[in-house]
Amino acid sequence: EVQLVESGGGLVQPGGSLRLSCAASGFTFSSYAMAWVRQAPGKGLQWVSSISRSGGGPYYADSVKGRFTISRDNSKNTVYLQMKSLRAEDTALYYCAKDLGFVDYWGQGALVTVSS
Amino acid sequence: EIVMTQSPATLSVSPGERATLSCRASQSVSSNLAWYQQSPGQAPSLLIHAASTRATGTPARFSGSGSGTEFTLTISSLQSEDFAVYYCQQYNNWPTTFGQGTKVEIK
Repeated sequence: EVQLVESGGGLVQPGGSLRLSCAASGFTFSSYAMAWVRQAPGKGLQWVSSISRSGGGPYYADSVKGRFTISRDNSKNTVYLQMKSLRAEDTALYYCAKDLGFVDYWGQGALVTVSS
Repeated sequence: EIVMTQSPATLSVSPGERATLSCRASQSVSSNLAWYQQSPGQAPSLLIHAASTRATGTPARFSGSGSGTEFTLTISSLQSEDFAVYYCQQYNNWPTTFGQGTKVEIK
């Protein structure tokens, strides 16, 4: 059974930093691209970042470029999202996603709240 | 960036009836189009990819059609568990983009 389990969410002040982790199991992690997709409260879905199976790419939405960094550790079956210079508009539920271009598996999400 | 526009925003349907949801792309995305269902408090789940290919576990009452810029998701006979929000996503061009969603509610 494929499982994606996010951790690291929380409350952070504007300008602060946070690192999300996603532990994957149930599939050959190193064979697949991974992504982060976010959903602001009551809003739709926004693709944030993707990383290839070997760590190449990566790709970022314009709204987070220069502030967020995606990385992965294939030995730990884990993908990360380092977030810096956080803004109120980054407040969202961040989903870890198995990336085939489309998402075939989603985590349950990590809530990030940016507020003073 | 390709803009995905879904219509209607809300669809009121009685159980057992047919529902038709539309998704339009601002430029051609070929058949690189996926549909997701999101129930309240849940993560999205994949229903269809490649415009018309049902994902593993997607009931046969869900069907997708279209190519280029016009796409449709049809639910042939709505069940109680189908009342949810549905999103389309194009993955033909980076950045991949989602529609704003269609909420299917009980009439």
